Amino acid sequence: GDSVTQMEGPVTLSEEAFLTINCTYTATGYPSLFWYVQYPGEGLQLLLKATKADDKGSNKGFEATYRKETTSFHLEKGSVQVSDSAVYFCALSDPKNTGNQFYFGTGTSLTVIP
Amino acid sequence: NAGVTQTPKFQVLKTGQSMTLQCAQDMNHEYMSWYRQDPGMGLRLIHYSVGAGITDQGEVPNGYNVSRSTTEDFPLRLLSAAPSQTSVYFCASSYSYAVSNQPQHFGDGTRLSIL
Repeated sequence: GDSVTQMEGPVTLSEEAFLTINCTYTATGYPSLFWYVQYPGEGLQLLLKATKADDKGSNKGFEATYRKETTSFHLEKGSVQVSDSAVYFCALSDPKNTGNQFYFGTGTSLTVIP
Repeated sequence: NAGVTQTPKFQVLKTGQSMTLQCAQDMNHEYMSWYRQDPGMGLRLIHYSVGAGITDQGEVPNGYNVSRSTTEDFPLRLLSAAPSQTSVYFCASSYSYAVSNQPQHFGDGTRLSIL
């Protein structure tokens, strides 16, 4: 079945450091891939998405490239800020699945210190 | 643009009580779902619906009921609350289960404590 695996946290970085959060997936079809962000006490918000192989999603300085050959969708940011402290979820949507088509990773907590 | 609205935001129940968590969306989305979020366990799917009148079980359905009488509303019912159901509950909606490139939109959550 489909699944999403993302690197375990927590991750602690200093401000302006480079961020990578790894995400790999297993899917029966050709899924769309998403990164969501959850700030403390809030719901999940879509951060970026990619819908086909080699697509790059980007938003707010974050980027992720859909790599079909390695089944990966790693999240990167060149210079993190304190305001990026949040939990990040990798997810996929697979239309080949009848019924539930959304699968989430377990989330990676990021803390950025000044 | 309200998006996905969940009520209440906080609730405390006693063991054995029942209650309904409300979820409404104003985007005419076909697909709606309920998740629970517990520390270290990510999001776990409770129930989902691919359209009005159609519901199905997710990963952790026991102790919960849902119905989908309208496109807009997808309430989650706790039949007899247990301490193990203490969690944060999120409702989400998406345009259509047949369209993979549309993301889910999440509500702000209901924080539920069972004593």
